Amino acid sequence: QSALTQPASVSGSPGQSITISCTGTSSDIGTFNLVSWYEQRPDKAPKLMIYEVSERPPGVSNRFSGSKSGNTASLTISGLQAEDEATYYCCTYAGSSTWVFGGGTKVTVL
Amino acid sequence: QVHLVESGGGVVQPGRSLRLSCAASGFTFSTYPMHWVRQAPGKGLEWVAIVSYDGDRKFYAESVKGRFSISRDNSRNTVYLEMDSLRREDAAVYFCARGIVTAHYFDSWGQGTLVTVSS
Repeated sequence: QSALTQPASVSGSPGQSITISCTGTSSDIGTFNLVSWYEQRPDKAPKLMIYEVSERPPGVSNRFSGSKSGNTASLTISGLQAEDEATYYCCTYAGSSTWVFGGGTKVTVL
Repeated sequence: QVHLVESGGGVVQPGRSLRLSCAASGFTFSTYPMHWVRQAPGKGLEWVAIVSYDGDRKFYAESVKGRFSISRDNSRNTVYLEMDSLRREDAAVYFCARGIVTAHYFDSWGQGTLVTVSS
């Protein structure tokens, strides 16, 4: 199973909106509405930000939103803040009780 | 509050074995599937394995199939990863994570344990 494709980096100014794409195939993202997104800060554990494409867990800011079209999922961060600097990973269920992650996108707040 | 604590990492020679443990607390451990996810130094996340809530079903990434074995002891609230025939490319921080069976995501993670494969 190949890793999902994410841009290596995305940047934006405070207050702006940014979108991170995550491209898979018709066998994973295209088939299942089971995309999740994780935030990871240096030397820390990942933190769940979005599940089932667009659902937010309790405690996650509503500035984070997710969507999917075809084989590509997206994470949008609105009203970008300095605290949003981190690496974001997408992940999808890929069938047959396996999962695949994207390569990660480093978000920089200018 | 969910708490996951990994242990067992260290330096191991190529070809040797190592067993990782993940102690869980703060939830009913026996009702959740558990995963191992790894992260090589400076790299992204890679899903490794899952064990069902009762330990009966186990699935692995192709990269570790036949070499790694996941198991759990619900009486000890602990999940294990037995790693055999270790390769240099298995060097990583290994995280355990709680799974959500109905929606297939990982809602809680441990802090990880570092495995170094070196002669």
